[in-house]
Amino acid sequence: GAGVSQSPRYKVTKRGQDVALRCDPISGHVSLYWYRQALGQGPEFLTYFNYEAQQDKSGLPNDRFSAERPEGSISTLTIQRTEQRDSAMYRCASSLGEGQRITEAFFGQGTRLTVV
Amino acid sequence: GENVEQHPSTLSVQEGDSAVIKCTYSDSASNYFPWYKQELGKRPQLIIDIRSNVGEKKDQRIAVTLNKTAKHFSLHITETQPEDSAVYFCAASGGPSNTGKLIFGQGTTLQVKP
Repeated sequence: GAGVSQSPRYKVTKRGQDVALRCDPISGHVSLYWYRQALGQGPEFLTYFNYEAQQDKSGLPNDRFSAERPEGSISTLTIQRTEQRDSAMYRCASSLGEGQRITEAFFGQGTRLTVV
Repeated sequence: GENVEQHPSTLSVQEGDSAVIKCTYSDSASNYFPWYKQELGKRPQLIIDIRSNVGEKKDQRIAVTLNKTAKHFSLHITETQPEDSAVYFCAASGGPSNTGKLIFGQGTTLQVKP
């Protein structure tokens, strides 16, 4: 695709349910990031993948949050036993990842998660 | 960890005036500083970035300056237009791991009045 694609666009779930959010990065982009953006705030880093390797998960709030990118392309962010405080916009971003040079990160349109 | 502070939180200017948004960062190892524009209901989009080996970069009406010693950088928009109205986020990245992980400021809501 032309840009970073996320699905679903909107997700309403009941407290205690598990949810899986999907990110399809720009083709050929090595680096993939997950961010969470509260209303009126800047994106907050959650986790980073280099190809299929999860190299930084320091931003994941607790062990209910996990992410994977098994084939180095599509990534899934999973939240188990959702709580109301998990409600937010979840954004994925990807970049070329050219060695040691940081390159532009392109953001997806996000998944708006609402836990009721 | 890295922290980025952004000011002001809101900024209102008349069309044609200049707008300046300032950010400070805490990690002296940061070496990449992008600025994102986010229109209502849209995704953040990069408008300009600067690396630590330069002090200033300009792209038409937009410029960014970086002071590594003071650990602050600023966005300058000249001849503002109503379509410049949006939320602007600064960010910092870099350090030993150099993963491209971005630490964002809190955002500045810019309103350009016609």
